[in-house]
Amino acid sequence: QKEVEQNSGPLSVPEGAIASLNCTYSDRGSQSFFWYRQYSGKSPELIMSIYSNGDKEDGRFTAQLNKASQYVSLLIRDSQPSDSATYLCAVAWRGAAGNKLTFGGGTRVLVKP
Amino acid sequence: GAGVSQSPSNKVTEKGKDVELRCDPISGHTALYWYRQSLGQGLEFLIYFQGNSAPDKSGLPSDRFSAERTGGSVSTLTIQRTQQEDSAVYLCASSLGTGGEQYFGPGTRLTVT
Repeated sequence: QKEVEQNSGPLSVPEGAIASLNCTYSDRGSQSFFWYRQYSGKSPELIMSIYSNGDKEDGRFTAQLNKASQYVSLLIRDSQPSDSATYLCAVAWRGAAGNKLTFGGGTRVLVKP
Repeated sequence: GAGVSQSPSNKVTEKGKDVELRCDPISGHTALYWYRQSLGQGLEFLIYFQGNSAPDKSGLPSDRFSAERTGGSVSTLTIQRTQQEDSAVYLCASSLGTGGEQYFGPGTRLTVT
């Protein structure tokens, strides 16, 4: 059973601070990793993808991947109230036809003004 | 450009009735996925289509669920003899090809009474 684990939260951060979200996965063969943001009542929105070890930055978001530790994280710098949402970690498994994703349960983030 | 579209946005049906949910992927995307998100639950993979290949049906929860994709574009997910436990948001996603980033539609909220 391939699993993706996230802390459900809520992760409460003050406006302007850094939010740090973590995700672990069970299969060492995983190759593709994604972070989605989901507002209440809306569908998931892709915010980051990462495929190799190290950091990848896009605006206020940084994804970090460590395949040896089977760990992927997302940092949100200068957090804004509009960042309040549930963040879903998704992993695609090597050999899985078509890159179907397995999702973690999501971490709810609350950014307080 | 236009994103993934789904219809209807909401569907209320009586237990035992059949329902059809429609997904129109992003133009040019060859891969199409169906997921389900139940209240308080994570995202669950249902079925995947890639080009003209046979679909990956490994996530379908029962034989009451089926899907087809006509002409490599629009897809229909059919649920026969609906049950209350089928109540969920059904999400469609598409990607440019295998291994690509998946983009979600707005979803169809199905309520079985």
